[in-house]
Amino acid sequence: EAGVAQSPRYKIIEKRQSVAFWCNPISGHATLYWYQQILGQGPKLLIQFQNNGVVDDSQLPKDRFSAERLKGVDSTLKIQPAKLEDSAVYLCASLLDNAYNEQFFGPGTRLTVL
Amino acid sequence: AQSVTQLDSQVPVFEEAPVELRCNYSSSVSVYLFWYVQYPNQGLQLLLKYLSGSTLVKGINGFEAEFNKSQTSFHLRKPSVHISDTAEYFCAVSNQGGKLIFGQGTELSVKP
Repeated sequence: EAGVAQSPRYKIIEKRQSVAFWCNPISGHATLYWYQQILGQGPKLLIQFQNNGVVDDSQLPKDRFSAERLKGVDSTLKIQPAKLEDSAVYLCASLLDNAYNEQFFGPGTRLTVL
Repeated sequence: AQSVTQLDSQVPVFEEAPVELRCNYSSSVSVYLFWYVQYPNQGLQLLLKYLSGSTLVKGINGFEAEFNKSQTSFHLRKPSVHISDTAEYFCAVSNQGGKLIFGQGTELSVKP
């Protein structure tokens, strides 16, 4: 079974530029999450999708971050414009069945904002 | 609101020694508890989880954890560690909504 795919793996941009990350969850997983992991901290949820609908985006900085999952499969997270404090690893995770609550994580995208 | 506290940011230990990584949580409702491991430049991998039932949970790679409701703890243990266990370990809590709340992480460093 293929795991959660993310691209790119690494990205370096300058502040005020835009960037987009892509995630393809495990086939059949209805729930998709984006987490932000700042160096030295645990991951923090940014947004949760159930199919193509948003379940929780309370921690998403909506003035600069946006995310979509138009067809209920893969997802894109965008930052526009980026700030220095956005430097982090962005992790995507997917979940098959809430009864087991096991989220499967992708390798992450490491973003450096200069 | 739910929260997780990992009491040690770094744990150095010699190979073949036992180790315990401590985790405390706070929640006003029933929770599910997890331990994840993160190797350098990789995503998180599930070690074990507590959903219900037996409070002693066994996971992969010889790890186990004990859920203690009265102490609101979920400490991770391994009787004998290997060099390959060197990684960052995260304790996490969730409710039925699936959202994971992570602790700050514990860096386990196994020395020969």
